Amino acid sequence: NAGVTQTPKFRVLKTGQSMTLLCAQDMNHEYMYWYRQDPGMGLRLIHYSVGEGTTAKGEVPDGYNVSRLKKQNFLLGLESAAPSQTSVYFCASSYHNPDTQYFGPGTRLTVL
Amino acid sequence: TQLLEQSPQFLSIQEGENLTVYCNSSSVFSSLQWYRQEPGEGPVLLVTVVTGGEVKKLKRLTFQFGDARKDSSLHITAAQPGDTGLYLCAGAVGNAGNMLTFGGGTRLMVKP
Repeated sequence: NAGVTQTPKFRVLKTGQSMTLLCAQDMNHEYMYWYRQDPGMGLRLIHYSVGEGTTAKGEVPDGYNVSRLKKQNFLLGLESAAPSQTSVYFCASSYHNPDTQYFGPGTRLTVL
Repeated sequence: TQLLEQSPQFLSIQEGENLTVYCNSSSVFSSLQWYRQEPGEGPVLLVTVVTGGEVKKLKRLTFQFGDARKDSSLHITAAQPGDTGLYLCAGAVGNAGNMLTFGGGTRLMVKP
């Protein structure tokens, strides 16, 4: 099993550009999450999904959109990137909630 | 202000020393998890505590959940260089859909 994979691993954007981060899991988990990690701030929940076709806002959802068209995939979109969105983004999945969350390796995004 | 406060933020010790990391909140958690994160990787679950006063041991690591389920501690005995990493606590709050709230993390460096 690959577990949780994220693409891309690194990306540099200019202010105003858009991009989509892809998260895929092969554990048949119902729950999927997108977090951002900033120095000293731990992980903050952006959006999450409790199953295929569902999404919900987390703690810091502004400037991001998500979609879960297939159970194994969870996409995070930035429509108009801002320097404040420079961060490391982690995707995670779990079978139940709360439960062990399995994290991907992260995507390091820089917005200039 | 973070819901979960971790202390200390940074800790640098020599191999063989003991240390304790604290995770405190004014909120009551239905469960609390501890994760360890190495550079360039996603967090990996170490333990979940559920019952107030619960103590769990994982080799040289001892985890305790406060009686009131508002705080937790992680004690490492005879630290080794392999213990180096970022330690994150995360609490699940029942009235927030049991979504995890992460502390800011404690960055531990164990020198040989």
